[in-house]
Amino acid sequence: EAQVTQNPRYLITVTGKKLTVTCSQNMNHEYMSWYRQDPGLGLRQIYYSMNVEVTDKGDVPEGYKVSRKEKRNFPLILESPSPNQTSLYFCASSLYSAGENIQYFGAGTRLSVL
Amino acid sequence: GNSVTQMEGPVTLSEEAFLTINCTYTATGYPSLFWYVQYPGEGLQLLLKATKADDKGSNKGFEATYRKETTSFHLEKGSVQVSDSAVYFCALRINKFYFGSGTKLNVKP
Repeated sequence: EAQVTQNPRYLITVTGKKLTVTCSQNMNHEYMSWYRQDPGLGLRQIYYSMNVEVTDKGDVPEGYKVSRKEKRNFPLILESPSPNQTSLYFCASSLYSAGENIQYFGAGTRLSVL
Repeated sequence: GNSVTQMEGPVTLSEEAFLTINCTYTATGYPSLFWYVQYPGEGLQLLLKATKADDKGSNKGFEATYRKETTSFHLEKGSVQVSDSAVYFCALRINKFYFGSGTKLNVKP
């Protein structure tokens, strides 16, 4: 079954404690992306990657890091989480970066930073 | 720049009512347009799409027409059901995706 898998689904942590949210897709997609969803603000892109070892900043990259060492994985790293990073996070992937190709989403990770 | 503006919610309708959720966009090129739906506790799923002017996307009774002259992609459904209650996102794609802020739809029996 084609899917984007994020882990964990729920996470409560404290300020400053490094964490990683994993994302994996089994569709051999080149393009992967991370979003955060906040009430009234919709989806905002954090980082995206057009292929292995190619990453770029989205609209709200501050406080986040990503890596793309393998095509299937695109982890999101919070080196020193802060309460303003409390949010719902989504990973997504698609076949190409442009055109009509559909973006597939993971089920989401709800993060609370205390 | 590129952006998407959609009507604020929530939108509350009775079952079998007609639905319109407005979406307008600005784009520096020729985008593809999408509607995504997010059911409670889930990720976003593609609802429908259109890739060029005058194209009509349709799925599950929902429709949207790519109107280049008015830069719009309004979502419509003739008769909503309780199961349509969700958050709807309009989006465009030029190199990367740009999403609207989402419109929550509540359908009452």
